[in-house]
Amino acid sequence: AQKVTQAQTEISVVEKEDVTLDCVYETRDTTYYLFWYKQPPSGELVFLIRRNSFDEQNEISGRYSWNFQKSTSSFNFTITASQVVDSAVYFCALSEDQGYGQNFVFGPGTRLSVLP
Amino acid sequence: EAGVAQSPRYKIIEKRQSVAFWCNPISGHATLYWYQQILGQGPKLLIQFQNNGVVDDSQLPKDRFSAERLKGVDSTLKIQPAKLEDSAVYLCASSLDRLRPVQNEQFFGPGTRLTVL
Repeated sequence: AQKVTQAQTEISVVEKEDVTLDCVYETRDTTYYLFWYKQPPSGELVFLIRRNSFDEQNEISGRYSWNFQKSTSSFNFTITASQVVDSAVYFCALSEDQGYGQNFVFGPGTRLSVLP
Repeated sequence: EAGVAQSPRYKIIEKRQSVAFWCNPISGHATLYWYQQILGQGPKLLIQFQNNGVVDDSQLPKDRFSAERLKGVDSTLKIQPAKLEDSAVYLCASSLDRLRPVQNEQFFGPGTRLTVL
């Protein structure tokens, strides 16, 4: 069975603060992929990043960075110098290979509010 | 490039009525997914198509939900009859088939918000 945990239900920060969103996953597979999606108030899920289980290099994209640690089964997401436009629900997701398709499971999400 | 299109955006029905949702994926995307997102939760996969064949429908409540993808492009999801607990946002997503499906990043439509009274 696979599972994705996002322990932080809601986070509030003041603009320009840094914030880290936690994601912990469970899987028995050695090959899997991890994803982060953003769901702004408009409702449409926006793909942010994909990471495979063999690549533990941290990644930075502008104000966003991701820290993948296989030893702790975590894939955390940090926003540096947060902005009001970052306010959204963020979902971590796990993809396993079913052989015939993709088993894709989302975490419960973390609602981030960035206050001006 | 046009994104995933869904209609209607909102639907209100009474319990025991029927409802259908439509999805048009990104051009060239062979795999199509339907998700149910209940308020305050993450999306839950209902069914996955590759072209016009069903890859996984293990979480689809088949006594009341059905889906089809004729000609491997557009898809419809139907609920008949609807229950109160079906109130949710129904999301459609599509992906370009990579060498291995596990790699697929999914692109989502705006969703259909269903309210069952």
